[in-house]
Amino acid sequence: GQNIDQPTEMTATEGAIVQINCTYQTSGFNGLFWYQQHAGEAPTFLSYNVLDGLEEKGRFSSFLSRSKGYSYLLLKELQMKDSASYLCAVMDSNYQLIWGAGTKLIIKP
Amino acid sequence: DAMVIQNPRYQVTQFGKPVTLSCSQTLNHNVMYWYQQKSSQAPKLLFHYYDKDFNNEADTPDNFQSRRPNTSFCFLDIRSPGLGDAAMYLCATSRGSGHITEAFFGQGTRLTVV
Repeated sequence: GQNIDQPTEMTATEGAIVQINCTYQTSGFNGLFWYQQHAGEAPTFLSYNVLDGLEEKGRFSSFLSRSKGYSYLLLKELQMKDSASYLCAVMDSNYQLIWGAGTKLIIKP
Repeated sequence: DAMVIQNPRYQVTQFGKPVTLSCSQTLNHNVMYWYQQKSSQAPKLLFHYYDKDFNNEADTPDNFQSRRPNTSFCFLDIRSPGLGDAAMYLCATSRGSGHITEAFFGQGTRLTVV
């Protein structure tokens, strides 16, 4: 079966760095996406990785290792507005997005 | 400017009373998706269209139907809503297979069943 695992909840301090991990087992791989979702709102796109390595975009970076079925999202200089759920999704061989349940990130002052 | 628009943002319906949710897009994307998302859960794909080709997920209840009259519009019809159908319904679009892009989401419709 297809499976995406990520921690249910994480807590971090304003100004700090946090890493949210995602492991996956899917039928085929056409890339991995990270989305941010604030409570009661739709997911918004953060990053896309299809090759191994690190993609940096401002305060957010995303890393992929295809051999390990592993990705992480790194958030630097945390701000209170970063409190949200972070969803990992993998596009499988049928170009369908397989979603993780999301990691709720709580930022404390 | 909003590129994927869902109406309404909030919908209250009575148990068993048919309800239709709408989605429109200005991106001219081939693929449109309907997801159901309950609190603290992953979005659950109900069905998707690749152009006019309809793809139903195996575990989508028969109570849920969809229509896509043209590229821009897609509708979700819930024929007899039950209390368990209360959820956020998300519409998304993408460019389609062979063109890997992110899925663009509408703001969602939160459905309450009373």
